[in-house]
Amino acid sequence: DTGVSQDPRHKITKRGQNVTFRCDPISEHNRLYWYRQTLGQGPEFLTYFQNEAQLEKSRLLSDRFSAERPKGSFSTLEIQRTEQGDSAMYLCASSHRDSWSTQYFGPGTRLLVL
Amino acid sequence: SQELEQSPQSLIVQEGKNLTINCTSSKTLYGLYWYKQKYGEGLIFLMMLQKGGEEKSHEKITAKLDEKKQQSSLHITASQPSHAGIYLCGADPTSSGGYQKVTFGTGTKLQVIP
Repeated sequence: DTGVSQDPRHKITKRGQNVTFRCDPISEHNRLYWYRQTLGQGPEFLTYFQNEAQLEKSRLLSDRFSAERPKGSFSTLEIQRTEQGDSAMYLCASSHRDSWSTQYFGPGTRLLVL
Repeated sequence: SQELEQSPQSLIVQEGKNLTINCTSSKTLYGLYWYKQKYGEGLIFLMMLQKGGEEKSHEKITAKLDEKKQQSSLHITASQPSHAGIYLCGADPTSSGGYQKVTFGTGTKLQVIP
C-alpha cells in the first residue's frame, strides 16, 4: 500500500498525559498537512510542512501541540498535557509539487482523552 | 474567514435515485474540492474545480462550480449503496492559489437504502 499511513489508528489516554502520533506521507510528496476533525464537523487545518519546514500553524494549535518533520519525510504530532477537548480524529494528508491542490489523506488517528 | 455551508446536512435516498448536494461559500472561491469520507476513516479525493462553469465527472458523480454564486453542486446519478458516506466540500481560502490548506464544510451524510 503506497498511501498515507498513520499510527496509531486509535489512542485512549488519561487527561494530563502526553501523546504522539506519526504520519508517513506518500513517497516524494513534499507537503504534509495535519488536520483535526471532531464529531459532526469537517476537518480543521492545524499546520503544514513543505519538506522539513513548518510553514504555517493555525491558531488552533496551542502551545501544548507541536509538530515536526525532521527529515522531510514522516511527521509527528505531539500533544502535551492532554485535555478532554483534545478528543478528536487527527488526520494527516500529503501532496506532491506537481499537484499541490490534490491532498491525499491518511486513515486518521482517533484520540479519546478520559 | 471563509465558511462553507453544505445542504442538506443529511440525505436518505433509495438505490437508483438521483441526488444533489450543494456547497455555498461565504467568500470568493479560488478552488473547490469534493471529498468523500466513510465513517471513522480518512477522506477520499473526488475532484477539484477551479474555473467558473467548470464541470467534472467521476464515474456517476458530477460536480459543477458556479463562481458568481460562490457555489458548487455535486450530483450523483443512479445512486448505489457504495455511494453512502459523508461528502465534504473544501475550498482554498487564499487568492494566491498556494494550496497551503483546505477549509472544509460540515459535510452531508448520505445513506442509500437498497
